[in-house]
Amino acid sequence: DAGVTQSPTHLIKTRGQQVTLRCSPKSGHDTVSWYQQALGQGPQFIFQYYEEEERQRGNFPDRFSGHQFPNYSSELNVNALLLGDSALYLCASSLGSGANVLTFGAGSRLTVL
Amino acid sequence: QKEVEQNSGPLSVPEGAIASLNCTYSDRGSQSFFWYRQYSGKSPELIMSIYSNGDKEDGRFTAQLNKASQYVSLLIRDSQPSDSATYLCAPWGLLMDSSYKLIFGSGTRLLVRP
Repeated sequence: DAGVTQSPTHLIKTRGQQVTLRCSPKSGHDTVSWYQQALGQGPQFIFQYYEEEERQRGNFPDRFSGHQFPNYSSELNVNALLLGDSALYLCASSLGSGANVLTFGAGSRLTVL
Repeated sequence: QKEVEQNSGPLSVPEGAIASLNCTYSDRGSQSFFWYRQYSGKSPELIMSIYSNGDKEDGRFTAQLNKASQYVSLLIRDSQPSDSATYLCAPWGLLMDSSYKLIFGSGTRLLVRP
């Protein structure tokens, strides 16, 4: 039973570029949430996707956008990258948008130079 | 005031001792509380959940909840070096749009000395 898979695991970008991160949820899960974790901090909620729609959003600018596909996989896009966007981006899946038990992927480490 | 407060540590305990990790939260509407363990460079892993006031035990782990005091704790008995990690407290909290999400603290780093 595959858990949550994320790609790429590491990537380096320069300021102003755009990045796309990908997530496949755990088998049987239909909801994907994205978190940003800066060094030494706890994960911060970006947004949640359920039924191919953004259902909840944290305090992140519009540069952060996402998508969910019919197979429940999801993408996180960040435009006009800033140095402060350097972080570990975590995808978590669950069954149902109201579920409070999340399964996390290994994360994508983004470095912005 | 932060929504979830944890002492960043590090909390250093000898092997075999009891480690006590504490967390306070500001949202009185929080109903569920979770403890995640995160090894350096890895993703968070759920280790305990608690929904009612009192204690909940699972192996060497005990979670304690006091909603009146807005306080939740995690005790680790017979601490092992493999328990060395950052422990994240995460209440299931209410957003302004009346939906709920996990709100993480910054975590407490635990070091268990052999």
